Amino acid sequence: GAVVSQHPSWVICKSGTSVKIECRSLDFQATTMFWYRQFPKQSLMLMATSNEGSKATYEQGVEKDKFLINHASLTLSTLTVTSAHPEDSSFYICSARPFRGPNEQFFGPGTRLTVL
Amino acid sequence: GQQLNQSPQSMFIQEGEDVSMNCTSSSIFNTWLWYKQDPGEGPVLLIALYKAGELTSNGRLTAQFGITRKDSFLNISASIPSDVGIYFCAGGNTGGFKTIFGAGTRLFVKA
Repeated sequence: GAVVSQHPSWVICKSGTSVKIECRSLDFQATTMFWYRQFPKQSLMLMATSNEGSKATYEQGVEKDKFLINHASLTLSTLTVTSAHPEDSSFYICSARPFRGPNEQFFGPGTRLTVL
Repeated sequence: GQQLNQSPQSMFIQEGEDVSMNCTSSSIFNTWLWYKQDPGEGPVLLIALYKAGELTSNGRLTAQFGITRKDSFLNISASIPSDVGIYFCAGGNTGGFKTIFGAGTRLFVKA
């Protein structure tokens, strides 16, 4: 149980284009999902907290107009990187906290974004 | 804000050795979590702790929730090459507060 999927697992795009990343909780409902960014050999950097049915809460320094988050259902959150630039290249990981049960987060496998 | 100090940053050990890593905080948490991340993948939950003083095992892994609720440790016994990866601790509180992650401990195991 507690499986989280992400799609795509990797994506290469041209500078200026937008990329959407999906995060799904496959066998549980999640009122809260989290989006992280991870640079090589570094820790997880929380970008935003996504709550179903409401606006996401962004961490300081994260541009909400550049990283659009939508949490349309209890099992799906999306992150759209708009007008991507090479500096947006990174490993993006989502996690989901079950609606019921202990205070745990389960992570997706991550999405490797490369912007040319 | 809340911060976790995770140590050591990295460890180079010989296969078969035991490993110990820990996290400390100036804040109290009511949940401590330990994750492992393999290269190019998302972190996987290893052990979750919910009570001060709790000691929980998962195979060769043992973790404890500090009695002060401000620290936790993870031990790995008889390490093997597949233990290589980054181990993250995380402290959380119920009520929708976000979970705080440590900077990670990179483990290297030499066969």
